[in-house]
This record gives sequence, C-alpha cells and structure tokens, in this order.
Amino acid sequence: GDSVTQMEGPVTLSEEAFLTINCTYTATGYPSLFWYVQYPGEGLQLLLKATKADDKGSNKGFEATYRKETTSFHLEKGSVQVSDSAVYFCALSVASGTYKYIFGTGTRLKVLA
Amino acid sequence: NAGVTQTPKFQVLKTGQSMTLQCAQDMNHNSMYWYRQDPGMGLRLIYYSASEGTTDKGEVPNGYNVSRLNKREFSLRLESAAPSQTSVYFCASRRGVSTDTQYFGPGTRLTVL
Repeated sequence: GDSVTQMEGPVTLSEEAFLTINCTYTATGYPSLFWYVQYPGEGLQLLLKATKADDKGSNKGFEATYRKETTSFHLEKGSVQVSDSAVYFCALSVASGTYKYIFGTGTRLKVLA
Repeated sequence: NAGVTQTPKFQVLKTGQSMTLQCAQDMNHNSMYWYRQDPGMGLRLIYYSASEGTTDKGEVPNGYNVSRLNKREFSLRLESAAPSQTSVYFCASRRGVSTDTQYFGPGTRLTVL
C-alpha cells in the first residue's frame, strides 16, 4: 500500500547549519507530496508542496524537489534558525476515490543558538 | 476566516465516560478528517468524510464514531473512553482534490484516566 518513510529524529543543529530531512514514498499512481510543520502546542500547517515529478516546492527558505526516479521528496534549508525548531512531517496524497493523506512519523528538529 | 476550529482544547475523562469532540470549518471544504497523534507514531487517520453525507473508516477507527452534521461540521464521538485513547486529536479539512492542502485545527488534548 501507500506509505511514507522519513528519517528519524531528533535532529539537532547549530544556527546557520544546513538542513536535510529525508523522505521517501511508495504510492500507486501519481501522488502529490507535501511537507507540513508543527510548532509546539499547535496543529500542522503546510510548509510546501509539489504536485508532479520534477516540481520544486519552496517556502521560507525551505525547498524540496519531487523525484519520481528515486521516489523521494527531501526537505532542505541552507541556513536554519532557532525559530525553525519544530516537528516536520512528510505526506502524500493519491488521487484515488478516498483522497486520503498518508503521513510520515515526523522528524523533530532542534536548532541551537 | 477562522479556518478549522475544535472544541474543547483540553479534556480529562474517566474510563467508560463518553464525549464528543467538535470540529467546524468555514472554508467551504468538501473533505474533513479526524486524526490522532501519539508520540513516535505520527498522525493516524481515525475517520474521514470525503463529502457531505459520507463517512469512511481510516486506519484506527475502533472505539470511535463520527457524524458529518453538515458541510461545515464533523464530530468525533468516544462512546466508552479507554486509557488507550489518551492522545491529541486533530481535525482537518480540504477542498477535495488530491493536490489540495489540508488545513488543521489546533487540536484537542484528551486524557483518559
């Protein structure tokens, strides 16, 4: 069945370090791919998305490219800030009759000043 | 726009008690979802409603019931609460097609003693 696998955390970085959070997926059909972010005590909110192969989603300095050949959607940021500390979720949505989302287990990022 | 609202924010129940979690969205979305979030488990889908008048089971439906009261409202009911249902519950909605973003409520933190 459809699934999302993302790297386990927690990930701890110093401010201004480079961030990569890996995400790979298994899906039938042609999924849309998403990264969501959850700040402490809040619900999830969309960070970026890509709806077809080779699309690059970007927002707030974060980027991810939809790679069909490697079934991946890795999240990157060139220089993290303390305010980026949060839990990041990779997700996919397949255009079936159910329109369900499949979420990864989340990766906690902690950025130290 | 309030987006997705959930009530209550916090709730403590005793084993065997019942309660209903309320969710409403003001974005005219067709699809609505209920998730639970447990440490290390990511988000797990309990039930969803692809459109007004329809509901379907997700990954972990046992012990829960739902009602799609109208297009705006989607409630989750625990008939006889158990300690295993201690979790954070999130409601979400989206317009309806697979490329759409899901919008999340702020969550309900439920403790069952």
